Amino acid sequence: GAGVSQSPRYKVAKRGQDVALRCDPISGHVSLFWYQQALGQGPEFLTYFQNEAQLDKSGLPSDRFFAERPEGSVSTLKIQRTQQEDSAVYLCASSFSFRGNQPQHFGDGTRLSIL
Amino acid sequence: AQKITQTQPGMFVQEKEAVTLDCTYDTSDPSYGLFWYKQPSSGEMIFLIYQGSYDQQNATEGRYSLNFQKARKSANLVISASQLGDSAMYFCAMRDNTDKLIFGTGTRLQVFP
Repeated sequence: GAGVSQSPRYKVAKRGQDVALRCDPISGHVSLFWYQQALGQGPEFLTYFQNEAQLDKSGLPSDRFFAERPEGSVSTLKIQRTQQEDSAVYLCASSFSFRGNQPQHFGDGTRLSIL
Repeated sequence: AQKITQTQPGMFVQEKEAVTLDCTYDTSDPSYGLFWYKQPSSGEMIFLIYQGSYDQQNATEGRYSLNFQKARKSANLVISASQLGDSAMYFCAMRDNTDKLIFGTGTRLQVFP
């Protein structure tokens, strides 16, 4: 399809395991964002890329969280040594350009459960 | 600090009636954008409508309109002629000067026949 694609849709991991979440943005979209959505809450910003450059990672909760977008297209969010508080839905969004009235288009999210 | 406030945890509306979902915001940046998204139970975030801080007219998109009152820092979403399929969570969000979105806590809308 033409939308933002995230995989896996669901991920269950044991505490202490590493996980990797993938985001394939809409073709041609320059900007890519990761958000974390806890149950019953609005999404919260994690990090932002413009092409391959990570311009803002101020929302990453700890150094266990790492994101990359090496070729300016697909992005991966990695969480090392997962903890129960990492359980949430991780949303990826992309937009054609930064600023202006360009909306961010979201994927369906990855629901991460840490046991 | 920039902030979005949605004070209505839940709203009910009868089918075919109009409903207003409240949103207030706080920012010191003169240039900002306001967005509304719909999140059905399936989880995807669907973009509905956008209002720029310098736009002179209220935004409209089909059955959705945004009641933008800049002096009061409010950006309420109005849904006209509600449909059963409108039942979902609705989030107001503000694009800050670093381009990320700041979201409110959402309003759950339930449309009944």
